[in-house]
This record gives sequence, structure tokens and C-alpha cells, in this order.
Amino acid sequence: DIQMTQSPSSLSASVGDRVTITCRASQTISRYLNWYQQKPGKAPKLLIYAASSLRSGVPSRVTGSGSETDFTLTISSLQPEDFATYYCQQSYSDPYTFGQGTRLENK
Amino acid sequence: QVTLRESGPALVKPTQTLTLTCTLSGFSLSTSGMCVSWIRQPPGKALEWLARIDWDDDKFYSTSLKTRLTISKDTSKNQVVLTMTNMDPVDTGTYYCARMTCGGENYMDVWGKGTTVTVSS
Repeated sequence: DIQMTQSPSSLSASVGDRVTITCRASQTISRYLNWYQQKPGKAPKLLIYAASSLRSGVPSRVTGSGSETDFTLTISSLQPEDFATYYCQQSYSDPYTFGQGTRLENK
Repeated sequence: QVTLRESGPALVKPTQTLTLTCTLSGFSLSTSGMCVSWIRQPPGKALEWLARIDWDDDKFYSTSLKTRLTISKDTSKNQVVLTMTNMDPVDTGTYYCARMTCGGENYMDVWGKGTTVTVSS
């Protein structure tokens, strides 16, 4: 199975900050990397697919980049609604594994 | 509008078999490129992908759980069913189904709200 490792596991930031979350795959996955946002008690929501494609309706302050084994999710100017947990997921080969999550907290 | 809704027992006993149903609306699993995945989340922990069934009836399972899982679809009822045998308290958590656009970029774009399962005697 492909292992997905996110860093950091948690992150404390303030409204207006720029934050970056990293996801590393244990083997190359081309650009088959998706990012999800989850708020407490809610189902995850798709933010980014295919490493850098922004899902319709997701604000442009959210960007994804990377390829092969190293990927990043960046939020350019944090808004109050961005405080949540973020997960990466590879969809290159079955089973489609998730990272362990990054909890983004309000400082 | 595309929606998915999970249903099943809220409480199961250890060693029992769990059966969960995902009812689809607004799309058909008989459409090429459509798939449905099941994902679970223990309380306070990360998401764990469990299984997937494709429009052409291909099936894929978590490596660690594949001996316990069975996924199937009933296209006429627009339902996907997941069974998990030999339930244990560590299987307690929220179980989600999600539509997956697959065969290309492969991503889960619509999720159900989830159903909570507790395993306890």
C-alpha cells in the first residue's frame, strides 16, 4: 500500500496568515492527489483534485501543487471558516490511502 | 442534485456482521466512470478508506480489512451495500459513503453525512 504522510500534524495560525501543509507519498503517484477539508461533526469536503485543480466553489486562496511524491496545500490568507482538519489522499493505486490529517487551529 | 445517504444499525455486538446501505440520488452507478467508496473514521482519528465499487462492478478493498469486507451494488435500487464481518469495538466510528469520479482523475466529490456505528456488548 502507498503510505501518505502529512506534516505538520497540527498547526496554529491566525486569520490573515499564509499556511502550507505538506503531504508525502511513499512512492510516486504522479498527480493523483486530492485534498479534503473536514470540520467537526461533518463529512469531509473535496477542495483540490489532481494535485492542483480547484473544485468549483472553493475559494481561490486555496491552492495545491506538487507531483510524484511531494505535494502541498496552501491557504494564502486564512479566513475564520478555514480552521478545520485537512486530509490528503492518493488515488493513484488501490487502496486509496489517506494521510493522517493536519489540524489547523486558531491561534 | 447528487446526494448519498448512509443507513444501518447504530449499535452492533462484537463478532456480529455489520451491514450498511448507501442510497444514491441524482446519479447512477451504471454510468461509466462512476464509483462509490466507503470510508470510516474512529472517534477523534483519521479517515480510513475501506472499499470501492465501480460502474463495471469491479471491487477494491482495504488491504488490512479485505478478509472482512464485501461491497456490492443494486443498480435498480440505486444502492451500494457494505458488509463487515466479525465486528470489534475498534470498529466503532462514523462510516461514510462517497461518490467517486474514477477511471480518470479519481476523486470523491460528494459525500454522505455519515452514520455512526458503536460496537459494544
